[in-house]
Amino acid sequence: ILNVEQSPQSLHVQEGDSTNFTCSFPSSNFYALHWYRWETAKSPEALFVMTLNGDEKKKGRISATLNTKEGYSYLYIKGSQPEDSATYLCAATQTGANNLFFGTGTRLTVIP
Amino acid sequence: EPEVTQTPSHQVTQMGQEVILRCVPISNHLYFYWYRQILGQKVEFLVSFYNNEISEKSEIFDDQFSVERPDGSNFTLKIRSTKLEDSAMYFCASSVDRINQPQHFGDGTRLSIL
Repeated sequence: ILNVEQSPQSLHVQEGDSTNFTCSFPSSNFYALHWYRWETAKSPEALFVMTLNGDEKKKGRISATLNTKEGYSYLYIKGSQPEDSATYLCAATQTGANNLFFGTGTRLTVIP
Repeated sequence: EPEVTQTPSHQVTQMGQEVILRCVPISNHLYFYWYRQILGQKVEFLVSFYNNEISEKSEIFDDQFSVERPDGSNFTLKIRSTKLEDSAMYFCASSVDRINQPQHFGDGTRLSIL
């Protein structure tokens, strides 16, 4: 079992502000880190899958970095918009397995 | 864009009854998963399925649970004798490969045990 933690639990930002949140995981036996965006009453939407230390991925205004040695990943949102309001979940997999171990999520609210 | 579909969206069942949750994964995907989220808790892995057999399962997935791919398109989760603590949101997911690929989730089935 991988204990994946996310912080903060919730976050309110003004429209236009940039923000970031953290996912931490045990670095031993780690294989991959997944980020999902989950809007209420919808299915989680895959954002990124990262495996290599130093990986950085970008999708529009959202980007993510990965540090496998110290066991953390950051998700950044540049110029937050109200439609970015959602819960952002990270999940990790272990070497040799593909089941996801999820964090509790960061609930982002962007205030217009 | 292809998506994972789950039915029903909400299932209410008496304790002790059997329940079957249904999922249609994305058609070219080979790996299938069930997860659940009890209210206020993390999303938890239940089971993964590949090549018509279970490839991994968690401690939660005991003898009361079973999975099946009966006809090449549906992927079902059966709970034989439901307990109150089985009340949760159940998510099906599928992926094209087991490594480096995202898992695509359905909208979930809310299971309420009375």
